[in-house]
Amino acid sequence: GNSVTQMEGPVTLSEEAFLTINCTYTATGYPSLFWYVQYPGEGLQLLLKATKADDKGSNKGFEATYRKETTSFHLEKGSVQVSDSAVYFCALSDLNQGAQKLVFGQGTRLTINP
Amino acid sequence: DAGVTQSPTHLIKTRGQQVTLRCSPKSGHDTVSWYQQALGQGPQFIFQYYEEEERQRGNFPDRFSGHQFPNYSSELNVNALLLGDSALYLCASRGLAGNEQFFGPGTRLTVL
Repeated sequence: GNSVTQMEGPVTLSEEAFLTINCTYTATGYPSLFWYVQYPGEGLQLLLKATKADDKGSNKGFEATYRKETTSFHLEKGSVQVSDSAVYFCALSDLNQGAQKLVFGQGTRLTINP
Repeated sequence: DAGVTQSPTHLIKTRGQQVTLRCSPKSGHDTVSWYQQALGQGPQFIFQYYEEEERQRGNFPDRFSGHQFPNYSSELNVNALLLGDSALYLCASRGLAGNEQFFGPGTRLTVL
């Protein structure tokens, strides 16, 4: 079945450092890809998405490019802030029998120190 | 415009009991999905409801059941609770035209 594998955490960086969180996927067909963020004690918020190969999703300084050839969707940010501390989830959409479910990676906890 | 809402926020039950969790989708959304997020894990798909019917189900036992009402709100019921059912239960809604799911804040269930 479809699956998502994320870089294991936790990841700890200093403020203004460059961030990469790796995500690779296994899927039949051409799923949409997503990054969600979860702040402490909260639900999931969509950070960005890409719906087809070579699309680049971007939001709040974060970017990820849908790479079909490497089945990857790595999350990057050029200069992180303390407020970016959260858990990040990579996910793909699995369309089956008319229902679209999300398949998530295990999450990567990011801590940014001032 | 209210987003996805869930109730209650927290819940404590004992083994063997039954629990009902509630979800109201985002305005204009007609499809509701439920996910279970164990501590330190990614969310796992439980099932999805559309037009008051279960459209797809994940790998969860029959103890997990659901319902969708004509106003598109939904309930998740779990019978014969086990310690392993302790988790954050997330509801997500989606509109007919979009492929983006919007999540609620979740219900934290603790089974003692």
